[in-house]
Amino acid sequence: DIVMTQTPLSSPVTLGQPASISCRSSQSLVHSDGNTYLSWLQQRPGQPPRLLIYKISNRFSGVPDRFSGSGAGTDFTLKISRVESEDVGVYYCMQATQFPPIYTFGQGTKVEIK
Amino acid sequence: EVQLVQSGAEVKKSGESLKISCKGSGYNFPSRWIAWVRQMPGKGLEWMGIIYPSDSDTRYSPSFQGQVTMSADKSISTAYLQWSSLKTSDTAMYYCAAGNYQPDFWGQGTLVTVSS
Repeated sequence: DIVMTQTPLSSPVTLGQPASISCRSSQSLVHSDGNTYLSWLQQRPGQPPRLLIYKISNRFSGVPDRFSGSGAGTDFTLKISRVESEDVGVYYCMQATQFPPIYTFGQGTKVEIK
Repeated sequence: EVQLVQSGAEVKKSGESLKISCKGSGYNFPSRWIAWVRQMPGKGLEWMGIIYPSDSDTRYSPSFQGQVTMSADKSISTAYLQWSSLKTSDTAMYYCAAGNYQPDFWGQGTLVTVSS
């Protein structure tokens, strides 16, 4: 089974400053179709999760461009260029490399304002 | 506008049965997998399983196999998650999410509370 490991688990950030979250998978996430189905989700307090980034670096509809994703193979990063108050919440990486899609989530990283 | 609307909060007793729903609109419901995700109080996200409404092809996480049943009725664009005998440890928020290789859209969640 693929295991997703996020670091850090907590990230206190100053408003306007950047934040970065790492996600490492226990094996390569490259699908047989050549795509890498690594996504990032945001869960604000009291809200359902929301898709931010899919296939490593593609922003989902309506996601601000201060969010960016990068990486390849087994190592991935979510960056927030300038943290705003509405970015407070828990961020999850997840993979869906198999078919039918079986999701595996990371433990979550809590982003809070210092 | 794509929407997934889940049924309301439930309060049950241990041993009771329950079926919660997730109704999709604004997209071709049969053609996107519906995943069910559990979130226990104060914890992270757990993938329970996934169903393809077009043909009801279903896969379960080993952790939930035999504990829950997923189904779908494409004629009314609705997916279901059911328990035959609830346990107190089933107390959690349950989300449905629609997508193929990523969960594009999420329901608002159904809170299930099970008491002894």
